[in-house]
Amino acid sequence: AQSVAQPEDQVNVAEGNPLTVKCTYSVSGNPYLFWYVQYPNRGLQFLLKYITGDNLVKGSYGFEAEFNKSQTSFHLKKPSALVSDSALYFCAVRDRSSAGGGYQKVTFGIGTKLQVIP
Amino acid sequence: ETGVTQTPRHLVMGMTNKKSLKCEQHLGHNAMYWYKQSAKKPLELMFVYSLEERVENNSVPSRFSPECPNSSHLFLHLHTLQPEDSALYLCASSQRTVSNYGYTFGSGTRLTVV
Repeated sequence: AQSVAQPEDQVNVAEGNPLTVKCTYSVSGNPYLFWYVQYPNRGLQFLLKYITGDNLVKGSYGFEAEFNKSQTSFHLKKPSALVSDSALYFCAVRDRSSAGGGYQKVTFGIGTKLQVIP
Repeated sequence: ETGVTQTPRHLVMGMTNKKSLKCEQHLGHNAMYWYKQSAKKPLELMFVYSLEERVENNSVPSRFSPECPNSSHLFLHLHTLQPEDSALYLCASSQRTVSNYGYTFGSGTRLTVV
C-alpha cells in the first residue's frame, strides 16, 4: 500500500519570505512523487515531479522540491513567496512497482492550504 | 485550459433529479478518472477507465454511474443523490502506463444536492 501525509492543514508565510510545505510518503518500492496546486474553483494543476536523478527538483512558478529517501520526504519549497502563491497544495505518490490494471495508481495527500500574507 | 474540459462547472440538483457530468480530453491519453473532492478529506478515487474499460470502482454507491464511450469522453450519470454527495467532482486523464507523468485534471464540477 502507498500513502501520503501532509502534516499541516495550513501554512502562513509573509510575502517575500521562503516557504516550505511538508510531505512524507510511504511506499513498498521506490516512489514517483508529485506536487499539484489547486486555486479556488479550479482543478489540480501539475507543479513538479520526482522520477529519478537529482534530489532537488525544479518546477513551475519558481517552486522546487527536495526528495529525501532516508526521511521519506518530498517537501515543497520556494525562496520568496508571492501573494499569488496562496492556494491548496497536494503531494502525491506512486509506487514504481505498482503496475497492472492499466492505469497509474496515484495516491494524494489531504492538501495543505498556503496563505501568503502581504 | 489544461486540455481536460468538464461541464457543467456548477450544478444544483434535487434529490430526485437525474443529471450527467461530462469530461472531455484531446491529449491522446488513454486512461480517465473520476475523483470526488470534499472539504477536509483526501481526494477520493471513484472510477477509472483504461482503454475505455472500467478497471476500478471504489465502492461507489450505485446512484453514481460512469460511462466511457470512447477514449476522449467520460460521463458520470447521477440519480437520486443525497446531500452528502455535494462536492467538487474532478475528472483527470493520463497515459495508462507511462509512469513519469502524472494526471491532467479538469477544472471540476461543483455539485450541490438540495
